[in-house]
Amino acid sequence: QSALTQPAAVSGSPGQSITISCTGTSSDIGVYYYVSWYQQHPGKAPKLVIYDVTNRPSGVSNRFSGSKTGNTASLTISGLQPEDEAHYFCSSYTSTTTPWVFGGGTKLTVL
Amino acid sequence: EVQLVESGGDVVQPGGSLRLSCAASGFIFDDYAMHWVRQAPGKGLEWVAGISWKRGTVAYSDSVRGRFSIPRDNAKNSLYLQLNGLRAEDTALYYCAKATSSAYLSDAFHIWGQGTMVTVSS
Repeated sequence: QSALTQPAAVSGSPGQSITISCTGTSSDIGVYYYVSWYQQHPGKAPKLVIYDVTNRPSGVSNRFSGSKTGNTASLTISGLQPEDEAHYFCSSYTSTTTPWVFGGGTKLTVL
Repeated sequence: EVQLVESGGDVVQPGGSLRLSCAASGFIFDDYAMHWVRQAPGKGLEWVAGISWKRGTVAYSDSVRGRFSIPRDNAKNSLYLQLNGLRAEDTALYYCAKATSSAYLSDAFHIWGQGTMVTVSS
């Protein structure tokens, strides 16, 4: 069982917006702004799309945005495109004995 | 161009040992924290270990602490993962990852290699 909780799957049509949630605890998301999101296409390495809750690395589309409220972080993808279809994983730094934890991943299907 | 290339993955028996390597290029290696993250076949991501040479800090997940170690050789721009006491549940693709912007272990995983496969089986 993953330390962070994500929905197993979400879907949307091209052009729509979707939001993926990531729920943690007061030991991770609730206390740190070190929340990041990763996109992974089949057979490929993960790619960082959001870090420190809201920041986008250079080269990542501004259609990707992040936020956090309490113990829950969210990734929003606007203007869905077919190439956005992938697995998305959240991650957070923690105050526990395992400093980094991931969510179980969410499969995004673009209908 | 920033690049990470992992190697050393193999099939090993339970209880065995293995050493993974990650060759880094395109950035000042000892300015950044480095990590190992693994992914079991068909499963999610699991952080394994991280090291900051500059800050003198090393950290491990509860699942590998005491069995794995994460040395680095700044002169060779290389990161390693020494895996001892291997178990079937350690079977996974092991990724090397570079921190976003600094030597803090709290930085996110910015650049990833393509991974090297470790299979623990008798």
